[in-house]
Amino acid sequence: QVQLVQSGAEVKKPGASVKVSCKASGYTFTSYGISWVRQAPGQGLEWMGWISAYNGNTNYAQKLQGRVTMTTDTSTSTAYMELRSLRSDDTAVYYCAREGIAVAGFDYWGQGTLVTVSS
Amino acid sequence: DIQMTQSPSSLSASVGDRVTITCQASQDISNYLNWYQQKPGKAPKLLIYDASNLETGVPSRFSGSGSGTDFTFTISSLQPEDIATYYCQQYDNLPSFTFGPGTKVDIK
Repeated sequence: QVQLVQSGAEVKKPGASVKVSCKASGYTFTSYGISWVRQAPGQGLEWMGWISAYNGNTNYAQKLQGRVTMTTDTSTSTAYMELRSLRSDDTAVYYCAREGIAVAGFDYWGQGTLVTVSS
Repeated sequence: DIQMTQSPSSLSASVGDRVTITCQASQDISNYLNWYQQKPGKAPKLLIYDASNLETGVPSRFSGSGSGTDFTFTISSLQPEDIATYYCQQYDNLPSFTFGPGTKVDIK
């Protein structure tokens, strides 16, 4: 069965960086794209960006351009999201999600990773 | 950038009621719209894709309609397990996506 398993919770200081992993199993990793979505406490969903697991092409939300980098390691079927220059308003649960092939929606999601930015 | 609005932001309804949520795009997005359900502490779940297609395994009491800029999501008979926040999502310009602000559904 398809699974996306994310790395554990992180606590970071303002100005630091965080790198969250998302290990995929149960499907051909390189056949799908992965998006990252975050959700601040009590707030809605914010799409952060997308990466093709096939060729590594990326598309980032304008708001995060320059601070976010998404990568994949096809040898381990793992996607990564790195966010730099962290601020308190980056405190959120970060999700990875698989974009379907026939369906342009996110059909499988990771369990979420809480990133807390606090001095 | 395409902006999405949803209304209402929250609603309370009784078990068995028909519930309707609307989503509006700031420009024509054809039928490039999905609906998700998110229960507290859980990841979102895809319910409806391409505005009106039910994802496999999703109960038939959920439905979607619309095209262009105006979309509707309906629960035909609200069940206790439907308590959640519902989000629309547009994908007019892949691979970019935008979520609506969400609608919280409670039991009256």
